[in-house]
Amino acid sequence: TQLLEQSPQFLSIQEGENLTVYCNSSSVFSSLQWYRQEPGEGPVLLVTVVTGGEVKKLKRLTFQFGDARKDSSLHITAAQPGDTGLYLCARTGNQFYFGTGTSLTVIP
Amino acid sequence: EAQVTQNPRYLITVTGKKLTVTCSQNMNHEYMSWYRQDPGLGLRQIYYSMNVEVTDKGDVPEGYKVSRKEKRNFPLILESPSPNQTSLYFCASSRWLAGNEQFFGPGTRLTVL
Repeated sequence: TQLLEQSPQFLSIQEGENLTVYCNSSSVFSSLQWYRQEPGEGPVLLVTVVTGGEVKKLKRLTFQFGDARKDSSLHITAAQPGDTGLYLCARTGNQFYFGTGTSLTVIP
Repeated sequence: EAQVTQNPRYLITVTGKKLTVTCSQNMNHEYMSWYRQDPGLGLRQIYYSMNVEVTDKGDVPEGYKVSRKEKRNFPLILESPSPNQTSLYFCASSRWLAGNEQFFGPGTRLTVL
């Protein structure tokens, strides 16, 4: 088992606030993906990062891959209720390993 | 519409009664996979398949079987279900290249009494 630790596990914030969630591993990622899962549905891919130090932006979401490719962060600016969901990071490869997830609630 | 379908969506059964959860994709994807999702444990991979007639164990394969006789179908078989297999199950598919997007089905909620 390749452990991916995500923090925080739960996060409840007011609409308009900023937040950051983290994904850490003891070993190097070849590439990492972030997914969002809404209640009653399967996860949906947000982004794939491959290169150490890489930063990708998706509207109000900013994804960063650590220089050593062992960690990643997801920053959301001015959170909205539509951002509510479970955010999962995943190590890709023949086998996929998912983190335990960060459950985000944005309160209107 | 490109999609992954799973059936049934909900299932309540009893210990020891064999069951099959079907998974089908219409995207001609080589890679297919089964996961279970449990509170506090995240998504854990049960089995995966990189192409027809090729299957491999994931992180938690005990108590499960799979087959890949056709590219589009990847059924999950529980020969003798037990209560610890009560979970939310997801099937997923992707083009075969590490780092490619996985497309997930809607999930099957299984309860084993």
